[in-house]
Amino acid sequence: SQTIHQWPATLVQPVGSPLSLECTVEGTSNPNLYWYRQAAGRGLQLLFYSVGIGQISSEVPQNLSASRPQDRQFILSSKKLLLSDSGFYLCAWSLGGGRDQLFGYTFGSGTRLTVV
Amino acid sequence: AQSVSQHNHHVILSEAASLELGCNYSYGGTVNLFWYVQYPGQHLQLLLKYFSGDPLVKGIKGFEAEFIKSKFSFNLRKPSVQWSDTAEYFCAVIKGANNLFFGTGTRLTVIP
Repeated sequence: SQTIHQWPATLVQPVGSPLSLECTVEGTSNPNLYWYRQAAGRGLQLLFYSVGIGQISSEVPQNLSASRPQDRQFILSSKKLLLSDSGFYLCAWSLGGGRDQLFGYTFGSGTRLTVV
Repeated sequence: AQSVSQHNHHVILSEAASLELGCNYSYGGTVNLFWYVQYPGQHLQLLLKYFSGDPLVKGIKGFEAEFIKSKFSFNLRKPSVQWSDTAEYFCAVIKGANNLFFGTGTRLTVIP
């Protein structure tokens, strides 16, 4: 069966420090991968998505970047965190190849990031 | 701007009460609609989804939702809630390829 792992669960980082959040998927090949963020009082916002290794699309301009070094690994990074980067970050996957709309998305457990 | 709206931010119900959570979207054309639930300490799970066909969709745990195209709505319902339904509920829409857009969520608290 397919599983998705996301870590760490919580993170407190000072302003200006770097960030690396990792997400891995098991049990499927060539998934579409996503990073979402939920800021306080707001809905989930799509940050990045990837349809293949090395292919990253950004939905909103921001202080963050994403990379996909392997088929089932998706990393969210920042060189220097801002206070406004605080929030709840969710990784998700869906089946690729245009079939994903039939199955919905599967989410990781999320990372609560607090920038202080 | 295109958006997904959930007007109820926090709903408090007693057990056995009926539930209806509102969801409206502003996208034109064909959309696929979802309701997700996040129980305390757990990750998001899919409750139900609508792609086409019967606009009344049955989901897990006794939930259902009705797609009303003329009202751009996809409200979630359950005839009798339980304490274990306490969670946060997210409405979501796929418009075009791949990308899922969420509403702000509704926190449901069920009092035993």
